[in-house]
Amino acid sequence: DSGVTQTPKHLITATGQRVTLRCSPRSGDLSVYWYQQSLDQGLQFLIQYYNGEERAKGNILERFSAQQFPDLHSELNLSSLELGDSALYFCASSVGGAPNEKLFFGSGTQLSVL
Amino acid sequence: GENVGLHLPTLSVQEGDNSIINCAYSNSASDYFIWYKQESGKGPQFIIDIRSNMDKRQGQRVTVLLNKTVKHLSLQIAATQPGDSAVYFCAETSNAGGTSYGKLTFGQGTILTVHP
Repeated sequence: DSGVTQTPKHLITATGQRVTLRCSPRSGDLSVYWYQQSLDQGLQFLIQYYNGEERAKGNILERFSAQQFPDLHSELNLSSLELGDSALYFCASSVGGAPNEKLFFGSGTQLSVL
Repeated sequence: GENVGLHLPTLSVQEGDNSIINCAYSNSASDYFIWYKQESGKGPQFIIDIRSNMDKRQGQRVTVLLNKTVKHLSLQIAATQPGDSAVYFCAETSNAGGTSYGKLTFGQGTILTVHP
């Protein structure tokens, strides 16, 4: 158990809908990362937050947004969903958010867009 | 552009054999490399890391080798066990700041299957 909690584990929705994925980082970790894993793209970095502020941005679509709350949990919002958004979404956390820190990953949320 | 890729998508070994998983990277600014293991239904799990000022680092049954000249990274697993069966990812990042700051770039992964 990495200590990172993601909910829900599975999510099935329809095209055009909006969903929210939730992540609770390890106790004491200030930085949260979101990754998307798909068969054709592999693990892709989406976005990173540190202590409530956006720290780095990767291949995140404009239809997607995220935030980190004062209690350090994070949410990833996916809107106007398309079939191609079906993927496994991982949250990870680290202590301080520096590039050379260990990331601890949650078990992921499997999103299926039908 | 930046890319981290693997030479072999699958690797099958017998229990007790040594396994070697390879990874190539193209970003010469990369200075920190990590190997992750991902078992079915789980998130990636940290195995071992290495910084660019080293060329070898050993852990428990695992060794990572870094060849910066040819931008190549390998993971060696000694006495491979069935529990080592998983997908293995190399990842790299740079501490140099700029657009790569905080971005961990993963390779495509190698599926390791260990036969008893």
